[in-house]
Amino acid sequence: EPEVTQTPSHQVTQMGQEVILRCVPISNHLYFYWYRQILGQKVEFLVSFYNNEISEKSEIFDDQFSVERPDGSNFTLKIRSTKLEDSAMYFCASSLSRGLGEQFFGPGTRLTVL
Amino acid sequence: DAKTTQPTSMDCAEGRAANLPCNHSTISGNEYVYWYRQIHSQGPQYIIHGLKNNETNEMASLIITEDRKSSTLILPHATLRDTAVYYCIVRVDYGGSQGNLIFGKGTKLSVKP
Repeated sequence: EPEVTQTPSHQVTQMGQEVILRCVPISNHLYFYWYRQILGQKVEFLVSFYNNEISEKSEIFDDQFSVERPDGSNFTLKIRSTKLEDSAMYFCASSLSRGLGEQFFGPGTRLTVL
Repeated sequence: DAKTTQPTSMDCAEGRAANLPCNHSTISGNEYVYWYRQIHSQGPQYIIHGLKNNETNEMASLIITEDRKSSTLILPHATLRDTAVYYCIVRVDYGGSQGNLIFGKGTKLSVKP
């Protein structure tokens, strides 16, 4: 069964450093998402991406964040200058359509900012 | 913010049916009810969705009341592996929707031997 994969599973970085989280969505999916979950809190939407551009973003997704689909398979989330409060699980998801149907989530990347 | 209300936690005996309620009293006519679950910090997993008719798949059944203001997710024979946080999500499903999911706090279901 096809699945969304994410690398690395755990990333430790120093405050102020740049990090890139990588995701490989399901191959025929067209819509891509990033969510995050701070420990013990809700899963929060960050951004959705379609046709090589952002289609929606939340208030969390400020200028420190960017997304990219650099080739036909990868979908990345970059945090330019990490802060302590960026420590969280980051989940990538993909879907075939924007509307009806399910989103498939990856296993997540645990980001720890020291 | 999430448009749903769920109990914080529930227990269920292994092998018994788990019935997880959700209130969505402000649901609109074009909004679907979705259920996802999250097993111990893994990525959320889709379970089922419906508009107004009851739905069943290999994982669960979804019962939506006639006025659509509440629903119940039923896991017919709960196993220890069903221990997870279950999220009820109301979502518009048509071409113009943005597609992102808005998660609440969900219900922590503990299946006990």
